[in-house]
Amino acid sequence: GAGVSQTPSNKVTEKGKYVELRCDPISGHTALYWYRQSLGQGPEFLIYFQGTGAADDSGLPNDRFFAVRPEGSVSTLKIQRTERGDSAVYLCASSPYGGTNTGELFFGEGSRLTVL
Amino acid sequence: AQKVTQAQTEISVVEKEDVTLDCVYETRDTTYYLFWYKQPPSGELVFLIRRNSFDEQNEISGRYSWNFQKSTSSFNFTITASQVVDSAVYFCALGEAAGNKLTFGGGTRVLVKP
Repeated sequence: GAGVSQTPSNKVTEKGKYVELRCDPISGHTALYWYRQSLGQGPEFLIYFQGTGAADDSGLPNDRFFAVRPEGSVSTLKIQRTERGDSAVYLCASSPYGGTNTGELFFGEGSRLTVL
Repeated sequence: AQKVTQAQTEISVVEKEDVTLDCVYETRDTTYYLFWYKQPPSGELVFLIRRNSFDEQNEISGRYSWNFQKSTSSFNFTITASQVVDSAVYFCALGEAAGNKLTFGGGTRVLVKP
């Protein structure tokens, strides 16, 4: 499809397990963002990639969270030793350029993570 | 620090009524950007508008209109003659001029009843 694709759409895991969430941005978009949305709240910024490099990872809550984008396209958000508080919808967005002053972000439908 | 407040958590209207969503923001930046996004039940946020801090002109797009008032740090959104398809959660967001992240408000759920 032409939009941002995220897999899995739903992931249930046990506390302490490792999870990976994948994002396929719109083809040609150099900027990629990860946001986290807890129930009933607005999305919170996690990390921003421009090309292959993480240009801003100031939103990652702690060192259990890590994200990569090795070829400047697909990105994977990795969460180690999951905790119940990590339960949320993880949203990926892409943009042709980057930075909030350049226009709209195109969001995927999110990956809902539930940690039991 | 940047902050966005959407005081209304939920608004319920009957189809064809107008509905106004409030958004108040806080920032120390002189240059910044304001956004509205719509999140339907599918979960995908859909961009509606972007406004920079230097442009206080109100904007109208079809049934949507936006009122930006820098003096009160508000960027309100009105849906005229609401329709059932307008039912969604609407988020206001604030972007840094030189940064890369959006700060979102808590969202307002709009329910339009037929």
